[in-house]
Amino acid sequence: DTAVSQTPKYLVTQMGNDKSIKCEQNLGHDTMYWYKQDSKKFLKIMFSYNNKELIINETVPNRFSPKSPDKAHLNLHINSLELGDSAVYFCASSQAGYGYTFGSGTRLTVV
Amino acid sequence: AQSVTQPDIHITVSEGASLELRCNYSYGATPYLFWYVQSPGQGLQLLLKYFSGDTLVQGIKGFEAEFKRSQSSFNLRKPSVHWSDAAEYFCAVGGDKLIFGTGTRLQVFP
Repeated sequence: DTAVSQTPKYLVTQMGNDKSIKCEQNLGHDTMYWYKQDSKKFLKIMFSYNNKELIINETVPNRFSPKSPDKAHLNLHINSLELGDSAVYFCASSQAGYGYTFGSGTRLTVV
Repeated sequence: AQSVTQPDIHITVSEGASLELRCNYSYGATPYLFWYVQSPGQGLQLLLKYFSGDTLVQGIKGFEAEFKRSQSSFNLRKPSVHWSDAAEYFCAVGGDKLIFGTGTRLQVFP
């Protein structure tokens, strides 16, 4: 049983398109996150939700909009995709910061 | 500001040799510290974590790490490296969010 699952695993799309990535966790954690890993492997937090409420919103373009319908789900919608959005996006969850569990990642390629 | 430094971008060791990956952090309070491993094309797997207590932490796959507050370090060690340990290793400090170092790529020669 996968603890944090993301879909899709791979996403190839053209510039200007809109796409969504979905994430679900079955660990009962209160907090979920989106991280971006760039081509140099650097991992940076984008957003954090605690029990459906946005608590961390790093400097991310407005084209990125997270949505948490319930505490087990956190989706990421990206409008007007650009070449620079190509990266691996990781979803994660945690309970009070006592360890973070990551999904397997979504590799987004914008062409 | 909170930050994590992994000074070694790339390390090469022979199989069976010992390993130490360095990590230094800057954090205002008592940190929660983590080491993650990422194999090519894979997600992040937690190797070990430190919250409090014993400063020598045992993890999975034979890894251990030692928290040294005076040096703001949390170095990862393994006494004998296996070829399957070749991967990218990330140190992270956390509280309400994880802040990652830039990673150390480990290459293992037979």
